[in-house]
Amino acid sequence: DADVTQTPRNRITKTGKRIMLECSQTKGHDRMYWYRQDPGLGLRLIYYSFDVKDINKGEISDGYSVSRQAQAKFSLSLESAIPNQTALYFCATSDLPLGAGEQFFGPGTRLTVL
Amino acid sequence: GENVEQHPSTLSVQERDSAVIKCTYSDSASNYFPWYKQELGKRPQLIIDIRSNVGEKKDQRIAVTLNKTAKHFSLHITETQPEDSAVYFCASNAGGTSYGKLTFGQGTILTVHP
Repeated sequence: DADVTQTPRNRITKTGKRIMLECSQTKGHDRMYWYRQDPGLGLRLIYYSFDVKDINKGEISDGYSVSRQAQAKFSLSLESAIPNQTALYFCATSDLPLGAGEQFFGPGTRLTVL
Repeated sequence: GENVEQHPSTLSVQERDSAVIKCTYSDSASNYFPWYKQELGKRPQLIIDIRSNVGEKKDQRIAVTLNKTAKHFSLHITETQPEDSAVYFCASNAGGTSYGKLTFGQGTILTVHP
C-alpha cells in the first residue's frame, strides 16, 4: 500500500546538536507538511510545501528548516536543538487538485533533546 | 491567521452514551472541516469531514454538523464503544494562497468506560 514513512522513529540528542528528520511518501502526492505535537497543544504546523519548488513557513517555524529534495521526500532540520523542541513530529501529505482534502500522516518521530 | 478552538479538552462517558466535541474557527473563508482520530501511539487518521455547502454529514455512529454563520462545527458520536477511546482533533482549512493548509484544534481526549 502507498504510505508515508518517517525516519528515525525515535531520537535522543543533546542541546546544540544538529538533527535531521526525514519523510518519504509513495502516495504520489504533491503537498507535504511537518507538524509537531505537544500535549494540550494539538498539531502545530512547522513548514509546508505544495510542490518541489514551493516552501512555506507554518505557525512555529523558528528554529527549524526544511528541504524538499524530490516530490517524495521532505526533510526537517533542527540546526541547534534545544530542550523545548522535545516533541512528537509528524510528516503528512495531501493531494489537493481542486481544494482542501484529507491529509495522510506518517507514523511520527519522537524527539528528545537533553 | 486562522484560529481553531476545541472543547472540551477531556471527555469521559459510559459505554453506549453519546459524546459531543465542539470547535470554533475564525477564518470566514474556511470551507473544509475534517476530524481526525489518534489512538494511543498511532498516527492521526481522518474519520469524517464536511464542506461548507453541507450542514450535516453522517457515517454510521459518527456525524458532523456545521454552522457557518456562527463559525462552529461539532463531532457527534452515538452509542460509544471502548474502541472509540482516543484523542480527537478538529481542523479547518486556510483560504487565499494557502488554500488547503489546515489549522488544528488542541485535541479532546475521549475515554469510554465499559
